[in-house]
Amino acid sequence: DGGITQSPKYLFRKEGQNVTLSCEQNLNHDAMYWYRQDPGQGLRLIYYSQIVNDFQKGDIAEGYSVSREKKESFPLTVTSAQKNPTAFYLCASLGTGYNQPQHFGDGTRLSIL
Amino acid sequence: AQKVTQAQTEISVVEKEDVTLDCVYETRDTTYYLFWYKQPPSGELVFLIRRNSFDEQNEISGRYSWNFQKSTSSFNFTITASQVVDSAVYFCALIASGTASKLTFGTGTRLQVTL
Repeated sequence: DGGITQSPKYLFRKEGQNVTLSCEQNLNHDAMYWYRQDPGQGLRLIYYSQIVNDFQKGDIAEGYSVSREKKESFPLTVTSAQKNPTAFYLCASLGTGYNQPQHFGDGTRLSIL
Repeated sequence: AQKVTQAQTEISVVEKEDVTLDCVYETRDTTYYLFWYKQPPSGELVFLIRRNSFDEQNEISGRYSWNFQKSTSSFNFTITASQVVDSAVYFCALIASGTASKLTFGTGTRLQVTL
């Protein structure tokens, strides 16, 4: 079945460590997104990419980095510069047309050790 | 700038009660789309409905119904005869034509349905 796969489901980060969250889609969608979810704050956009080899900062990009070398993949790195990384991270993709619903993965829960 | 407000943080109902989740939005664009998503405890967001700014018809889908009113900038969601499986966090979201496909989410309403 077509969909979005996020891994791992749970991730722990030590102080000063960079960690990478994986997001893979087989929907042949051009656009992909990373959101952060904190309790009571809804979803906030970290980075998005509308095409391979191109990406833009969202509302809370500081302390994060991304790459988009392949259409299917949009990994997110949480760097040591992100001082409060504990959150639930959701990846999404979008096919043709901004008015279509975004498809979401199951999320990765990141915690500090 | 776009904004979505879901003033109800948490709602608790007993099974079979009807419940309405409120959503109020702000945008200066005349062309926009509104969405409702459901987030069950497993975490993924499940798409429920999309409505465009030119279509104010209300919609019913089984036990779900949506009331879109441009005059009050609201897009409310009603569950009739709620069931325990409806327990989840529900998000309202907005996307406007000039925003590079960037969704603006509300803060969500947690619905708890008990027996």
